Amino acid sequence: QVTLRESGPALVKPTQTLTLTCTFSGFSLTTSGMCVTWIRQPPGKALEWLARIDSNDDKYYITSLKTRLTISKDTSKNQVVLTLTNVDPVDSATYYCARFYTYGPGGFDYWGQGTLVTVSS
Amino acid sequence: EIVLTQFPATLSLSPGERASLSCRASQSVSNYLNWYQHKPGQAPRLLIYDASIRATGIPARFSGSGSGTDFTLTISSLEPEDFAVYYCQQRAKWPPGALTFGGGTKVEIK
Repeated sequence: QVTLRESGPALVKPTQTLTLTCTFSGFSLTTSGMCVTWIRQPPGKALEWLARIDSNDDKYYITSLKTRLTISKDTSKNQVVLTLTNVDPVDSATYYCARFYTYGPGGFDYWGQGTLVTVSS
Repeated sequence: EIVLTQFPATLSLSPGERASLSCRASQSVSNYLNWYQHKPGQAPRLLIYDASIRATGIPARFSGSGSGTDFTLTISSLEPEDFAVYYCQQRAKWPPGALTFGGGTKVEIK
């Protein structure tokens, strides 16, 4: 059974760094073609893809946030970590992690339930 | 960067009616286009991948079509549980690795 769960602070102050962890089970990020992605949804707005890390450690970022985002993985812990530096109230959103398997269904087939992050002083 | 435009933004329909949702890409994404259903307080659910293939467990009333730049998600007869927001998402080759979403279409009860 594949599961993903996001964790991190519910409240972050402007200019601070947000660190979110995705802990998953039921698959391995050492499997060729396996990826984990981060997606967010600001209140009342659309889904926004943020970053992706592949089993071969290739990393991809949304162009508009590339200088502020870092994605990494710890395969021994089955975790993927996303950091977003210098946060602003516009970064307030529900943050999701999701699985993407390049050799399987061509979409995000499993998702976490999301974690709500508010950026406010 | 590929931009996905969804229209209409809102679709007001009654249960039993047919829904047609559109997604247009700013450049060709071949058939690398997926559709998701998103309800408040829940994680999004993959409905259709590679433009026309239903994901596991998705009812046959959901179908996808299109290729290149123009795509359609059709719900043949709306059930009460189908009222939600629907997003398209692409995984084309450029920029490498980018997996962008459209702006969404809300299907609401008329």
